[in-house]
Amino acid sequence: AQKITQTQPGMFVQEKEAVTLDCTYDTSDQSYGLFWYKQPSSGEMIFLIYQGSYDEQNATEGRYSLNFQKARKSANLVISASQLGDSAMYFCAMREGSFMEYGNKLVFGAGTILRVKS
Amino acid sequence: EAGVAQSPRYKIIEKRQSVAFWCNPISGHATLYWYQQILGQGPKLLIQFQNNGVVDDSQLPKDRFSAERLKGVDSTLKIQPAKLEDSAVYLCASSPRQGDYDEQYFGPGTRLTVT
Repeated sequence: AQKITQTQPGMFVQEKEAVTLDCTYDTSDQSYGLFWYKQPSSGEMIFLIYQGSYDEQNATEGRYSLNFQKARKSANLVISASQLGDSAMYFCAMREGSFMEYGNKLVFGAGTILRVKS
Repeated sequence: EAGVAQSPRYKIIEKRQSVAFWCNPISGHATLYWYQQILGQGPKLLIQFQNNGVVDDSQLPKDRFSAERLKGVDSTLKIQPAKLEDSAVYLCASSPRQGDYDEQYFGPGTRLTVT
C-alpha cells in the first residue's frame, strides 16, 4: 500500500487566491512526522512545513499552513495568497516512528505540480 | 551559510560504465542522506549516514551502488555498473539536529542519464 498518496497530479490557481494540496498517509505508528517540500524547476527541494503526530495545533509557516486531520490520516497543505513564484512541484513526506527508532527516514509522495496564473 | 554542494550537476554515461557523485553537506550537519528521484516520482532514500556511520541503507542496491562518508563530512555515491533504470536525479541532503523535527536541506542534485 502507498504510504503517502497525493491524488492531484496538477493544480492551477489564480494569483492571490488560496489553494489546497491534498495528502493522505498510511501508518500504524502512533508517533510520526509529516513534511511538505517544494521543488522548483531548478530541482532543489525546499522545506516548507512540519507537523508532528502529537501536535494538537495545525502547523503554520507564513503563507503555508497544514490542515492536519489525524482521524482521516490527511495532511493537506494550504497556500494562502498565491504568488507566481509558488509555481513548482510540491511533495508530501512522512517519517514513521520516532527519530530515536528510525532516524529521519522520509517516504515521499509522487507530488503535485502547482501552476499559479496571473 | 553555504548550502549543500553537489557535483557534477549533469552526467551522461553508457550502460555498464561506472559513475561517482560527490556531496559536501552544510558545515556542522551530522546527518547526510542520498536520495534517488526518478522522473515523475518523489525522492526515494538510498542511504543515511550519521557522522561517518550508516544508519539506514535498506533501499540501496548493494550489488551495484556503494556510498561512503569519510571523516563524517563529504560523501560519494558510486554506481558500478550502471543500468538504464539508474537514470534519475541523485539528491544529497543534510540535517543538523537529532530529533523528530529535523529539517533536511537539499542540494541541487546530479542528473544522471544512462544510455
